[in-house]
Amino acid sequence: QLQLQESGPGLVKPSETLTLTCSVSGGSIRSSSHYWGWIRQPPGKGLEWMGSMFHSGSAYYNPSLTSRVTIFVDMSKSQFSLKLTSVTAADTAIYYCVRQSWMWWFDPWGQGTLVTVSS
Amino acid sequence: QSVLTQPASVSGAPGQSITISCTGTSSDVGGYDYVSWYRQHPDKAPKLIIYDVSNRPSGVSDRFSGSKSGNAASLTISGLQAEDEADYYCTSYTSTNTVIFGGGTKLTVL
Repeated sequence: QLQLQESGPGLVKPSETLTLTCSVSGGSIRSSSHYWGWIRQPPGKGLEWMGSMFHSGSAYYNPSLTSRVTIFVDMSKSQFSLKLTSVTAADTAIYYCVRQSWMWWFDPWGQGTLVTVSS
Repeated sequence: QSVLTQPASVSGAPGQSITISCTGTSSDVGGYDYVSWYRQHPDKAPKLIIYDVSNRPSGVSDRFSGSKSGNAASLTISGLQAEDEADYYCTSYTSTNTVIFGGGTKLTVL
């Protein structure tokens, strides 16, 4: 059964770059049927899709974040990562990594990791 | 990106049925059969319960059903149980190769 686990800093300073990593186990990151993506949820608020990437490199990003976000896949480590630049307090959220199907649904989800942006 | 429109809250008694609506446009919900629904219990990750408008993943109860008409999708939960109390989110693929979420609906089981 595929499992996803996020890792990364819990606290980031404003204007810095946030990098999170998702480790994939119980399945292949080289799947030809899936993308790998990130979704976030500010405390007490709704969900926001950030972007998704195929292992070959093709990617789709949320237009509201496209200038600041990059997703990349490391097949050798069975991991994919999120890089978000120039963070502000508005980027404080629980960040979930997900497997995305070609039909644009998300399953499974990682347990989520809380990132706080504060000086 | 705009979000899909969901009611902020719905409620029902145990055993009853409820329906949560998810309204979009012809560029998202109305244009594609790529609507999915997620259930999120407090302090837990969301879980997929419906995909491609009306399909249930293996292991999801048949008390959950989905449908779509025009630019609106719906999630119906029949035979409400206490464990159904949670937040529910819809999503849709869009014409710009992105995904948008609904604002979420809090279901209270009375």
